[in-house]
Amino acid sequence: DAGVIQSPRHEVTEMGQEVTLRCKPISGHNSLFWYRQTMMRGLELLIYFNNNVPIDDSGMPEDRFSAKMPNASFSTLKIQPSEPRDSAVYFCASTLQASSYNEQFFGPGTRLTVL
Amino acid sequence: AQKVTQAQTEISVVEKEDVTLDCVYETRDTTYYLFWYKQPPSGELVFLIRRNSFDEQNEISGRYSWNFQKSTSSFNFTITASQVVDSAVYFCALLNTGGFKTIFGAGTRLFVKA
Repeated sequence: DAGVIQSPRHEVTEMGQEVTLRCKPISGHNSLFWYRQTMMRGLELLIYFNNNVPIDDSGMPEDRFSAKMPNASFSTLKIQPSEPRDSAVYFCASTLQASSYNEQFFGPGTRLTVL
Repeated sequence: AQKVTQAQTEISVVEKEDVTLDCVYETRDTTYYLFWYKQPPSGELVFLIRRNSFDEQNEISGRYSWNFQKSTSSFNFTITASQVVDSAVYFCALLNTGGFKTIFGAGTRLFVKA
């Protein structure tokens, strides 16, 4: 299996620009998570999908952030407009069934730099 | 409240030394799961172990071993005869039964010097 795939791996953009991060979960996994990792705040859960439906988005920082999962094999996290404080590594993770307490499989992350 | 505390921010050892990474958790639930993940310099978090709250048996996997003690709410991780490739950030995490939100500790950065 290819594992969780994220693109791009690195993104450098200017403040005010729209940024779209992409994730392909492991085939057969029905739960997907977006995390943000910074030195100051560690790993933060942004949003959780189960069977393509957003279950909890309480971790999304503000309205500038949005996430979609149009089908079982693709999810996006969009920041519009981006700000320098959004600079972080964004991880996507998937698991077979979150309610079964399985471990999560993480993608390689997208390192976002907003200038 | 649920919380995971990894008090050691950074640990530096010389190759072949044994090292223990501490993890203390807080939860009101009686059933829960504990995890350890490794984040090597490449960045991707890798699952190491899962333990449920009913299973207090210690586990050994090669040079890795885990000590789960409910009485002290601890789930410590020991690497025996450390190697340079063990250099990484290690995260302890907690998931309550019935929940989906895994609570991660702040991580412990381990440096293993040759």
